[in-house]
Amino acid sequence: EVQLLESGGGLVQPEGSLRLSCAVFGFTFNNFGVTWVRQAPGKGLEWVSFISSRDGGGTIYADSVKGRFTISRDDSKNTVYLQMNSLRAEDTAVYYCAKVRWNDGRVFENWGQGTLVIVSS
Amino acid sequence: QSALTQPPSASGSPGQSVTISCTGTSGDVGGYNYVSWYQHHPGKAPKLVIYEVSKRPSGVPDRISGSKSGNTASLTFSGLQAEDEGDYYCGSYAVYNSNWVFGGGTKLTVL
Repeated sequence: EVQLLESGGGLVQPEGSLRLSCAVFGFTFNNFGVTWVRQAPGKGLEWVSFISSRDGGGTIYADSVKGRFTISRDDSKNTVYLQMNSLRAEDTAVYYCAKVRWNDGRVFENWGQGTLVIVSS
Repeated sequence: QSALTQPPSASGSPGQSVTISCTGTSGDVGGYNYVSWYQHHPGKAPKLVIYEVSKRPSGVPDRISGSKSGNTASLTFSGLQAEDEGDYYCGSYAVYNSNWVFGGGTKLTVL
């Protein structure tokens, strides 16, 4: 069974940093890309970042987080990370990771249950 | 403001048909078959219900279908059931900037 488990969320002050983790189970991790999507309170889903499989793990970022967030992966630990720096109040959200099937419409096939990040003083 | 436009709400009685629309541009929805739909219940993991415009993942009933015309994609429930309630989001990969975009979500209520 495919599972994705996010962790690392919490309360952080503005301009602070946080690192989220996404541990995956049940599929050959290094064959798939992984993405982060967030949902701010009362808002819809917003795509955040993507890292591809193998080949150096190419990365893409939404403009709203470019230069502040860094996505990375450790294939030996079946884990993807999202390093979040210079956090702002508008980064407050539930952060989800998802497995990406690139060759089937760039689709987010399986999702985790999310981890909550609150940016507040 | 979301990149894709969805109605905020939709509703129907059990057994009725309901369609949710998702309007984008030629750079995302209209340009390629990279449209997907997700069901989301607050506090839970979103669930994929349609990908590549009209394909259903294993386990999704065939009364749920997807289609596209021009820059607008649609998700249709034929024979609405109570279990269909939830928030539905369309999403699309935008080839022109290699980003993904979502709609603002539609809350589906079964009356």
